Amino acid sequence: DADVTQTPRNRITKTGKRIMLECSQTKGHDRMYWYRQDPGLGLRLIYYSFDVKDINKGEISDGYSVSRQAQAKFSLSLESAIPNQTALYFCATSDLDGRGTGELFFGEGSRLTVL
Amino acid sequence: QKEVEQNSGPLSVPEGAIASLNCTYSDRGSQSFFWYRQYSGKSPELIMSIYSNGDKEDGRFTAQLNKASQYVSLLIRDSQPSDSATYLCAVDSGGYQKVTFGIGTKLQVIP
Repeated sequence: DADVTQTPRNRITKTGKRIMLECSQTKGHDRMYWYRQDPGLGLRLIYYSFDVKDINKGEISDGYSVSRQAQAKFSLSLESAIPNQTALYFCATSDLDGRGTGELFFGEGSRLTVL
Repeated sequence: QKEVEQNSGPLSVPEGAIASLNCTYSDRGSQSFFWYRQYSGKSPELIMSIYSNGDKEDGRFTAQLNKASQYVSLLIRDSQPSDSATYLCAVDSGGYQKVTFGIGTKLQVIP
């Protein structure tokens, strides 16, 4: 089983629908992230959380919300989906090394299509 | 201006050649630099990290960092078809580990 699991892996929905993408991890990391990947734009940070009580906006948080239900679970919601939110979404985790940074471990991705 | 710049490619090299991938960044205070590899349809995975000026070698991969020029590169020696992927440059610009990614360079190794 993957250390970072995303559900669903693929989702097609309609404009205006509420969508939740879920992420769970077994790596024991405190830090969790949601990224969005679009062709030509690369990976962009939506939200990040450094522990259960800490939620921070990233580069492109408008139209999204998150919930950190537990150390191992971090979900991303689109309250009212729109077509330009069609993208590949990645959850990631990390831990700190001695330098205050660390490797990002990514889930397998959730491909969302908004019609 | 994007904070981390990469040429999207594709960069085509023959099998056995050296592939050179380049990246520039805008934040002079950046301290940590990473190269991730992403196969088509898969998630990114870390292949190299570098924190100090100079070269860091790991097998066929060498990362090079020049903070004065705000430049990071990745060399892949003896390129193999299995190296064909998109290579993402990533820069950690702050103490809160907010990593910024470039758009990635697509590498094609021709047999």
